[in-house]
Amino acid sequence: EVQLVESGGGLVKPGGSLRLSCAVSGLVFSDAWMNWVRQAPGKGLEWVGRMQHSGGSIDYAAPVKGRFSILRDDSRNTMYLQMDSLKIEDTAVYYCTWDSDYYYTMDVWGQGATVTVSS
Amino acid sequence: DVVMTQSPLSLPVTLGQPASISCRSSQSLVHSNGNTYLNWFQQRPGQSPRRLIYKVSNRDSGVPDRFSGSGSGTDFTLKISRVEAEDVGVYYCMQGTAWPSFGGGTKVEIK
Repeated sequence: EVQLVESGGGLVKPGGSLRLSCAVSGLVFSDAWMNWVRQAPGKGLEWVGRMQHSGGSIDYAAPVKGRFSILRDDSRNTMYLQMDSLKIEDTAVYYCTWDSDYYYTMDVWGQGATVTVSS
Repeated sequence: DVVMTQSPLSLPVTLGQPASISCRSSQSLVHSNGNTYLNWFQQRPGQSPRRLIYKVSNRDSGVPDRFSGSGSGTDFTLKISRVEAEDVGVYYCMQGTAWPSFGGGTKVEIK
């Protein structure tokens, strides 16, 4: 069974940085396609970015491109979301998701990590 | 970008009655490989989203058969044949044919 566990959320000031982690089990992580999706308070779902299998490409949504980076550590079966230059509008619950194939399938979701950007 | 539009925004339903949610895309979701990457997700109160349906009409493992998906091209529908109390929540459609995008959500509640 594929399981995803996010951690690292918290309160940060505008302009600050935060790194989220997504620990993955139940699959060969180096072959995995993984996403970050966020949900602002009381709002819908927004795709943030995706990491393909190890050595593959990484893509970002326009609102976060240049500020957020998706990283991976295959030795720890963990994906990261490095968030820099945070804005108030980045406040959201951040979910990691797993795609079972090349296309955006989002088969499994983690429980989410809450990020609050406030002065 | 592909814009996904769901209706209605809110759907009050009597227990045991059917419910239907519409999802329309701003362009065809048929991929060049012939597949249509349209998913449906359920988000119960206080929980993470859970996928119910993938590629328009395929139910995920463990999803009750009262849930069904249909449609083609730009028009898609999620139907619940007989709503149960555990079906309360927000339902989202999502396309994966292009850069992924979600519908705004439909809140299903019991009358």
